[in-house]
Amino acid sequence: EVQLVESGGDLVQPGGSLRLSCAASGFTFSQYEMNWVRQAPGKGLEWVSYISTSGGSIYYAESVKGRFTISRDNAKNSLYLQMNGLTVADTAVYYCARDCGTTSCYTPHFDIWGQGTMVTVSS
Amino acid sequence: QMTQSPSSVSASVGARVTITCRASQDINSWLGWYQQKPGKAPRFLMYSGSILEDGVPSRFSGRGSGTEFTLTISKLQAEDSATYYCQQANSFPLTFGGGTNVEIK
Repeated sequence: EVQLVESGGDLVQPGGSLRLSCAASGFTFSQYEMNWVRQAPGKGLEWVSYISTSGGSIYYAESVKGRFTISRDNAKNSLYLQMNGLTVADTAVYYCARDCGTTSCYTPHFDIWGQGTMVTVSS
Repeated sequence: QMTQSPSSVSASVGARVTITCRASQDINSWLGWYQQKPGKAPRFLMYSGSILEDGVPSRFSGRGSGTEFTLTISKLQAEDSATYYCQQANSFPLTFGGGTNVEIK
């Protein structure tokens, strides 16, 4: 079964840091680009970051640029998101999402999603 | 920037529902659609504006190119109650529309 499982979400104070992880299984992780997408409580979806298969190409949303760092370890079938300088506006469910852009859907779309991990930034 | 309309629609089972997604610039046909039910992760429905993902019922269809796109549910079913999002894949940053809540009367 193709699966993505996020972990690492927590309650953190403003200005704090957190590292999210996403464990992939059921597919050849190294062949897929990956993304993080978040959803604030009661709000819509917001793309956060993209990483290519090798990690050589990375993009960020303007709202997180300079504060968040995406990375991957293909040997461990894992995706990560290091989040620094957290603010209340970063409170959201964070989803790990597989990108089908170079395998089946031509451009970056998210065909497999994890269940999400909740990040709450509050004092 | 992606703009969806309406933000909410209520329709009866069997009805035809159409959601519009407008892009602030030409995105060719690089548009996807997602369905999200409360408390669940989104489900990928469609890409390139009109190509259904495997397993997506044929009552879902998409049209459009350039700046205007539509998602149509031809015969609404109770299980289609959800929020639908469009997403442009023409360039980074990838962006979603604000969502359309589809409710069953």
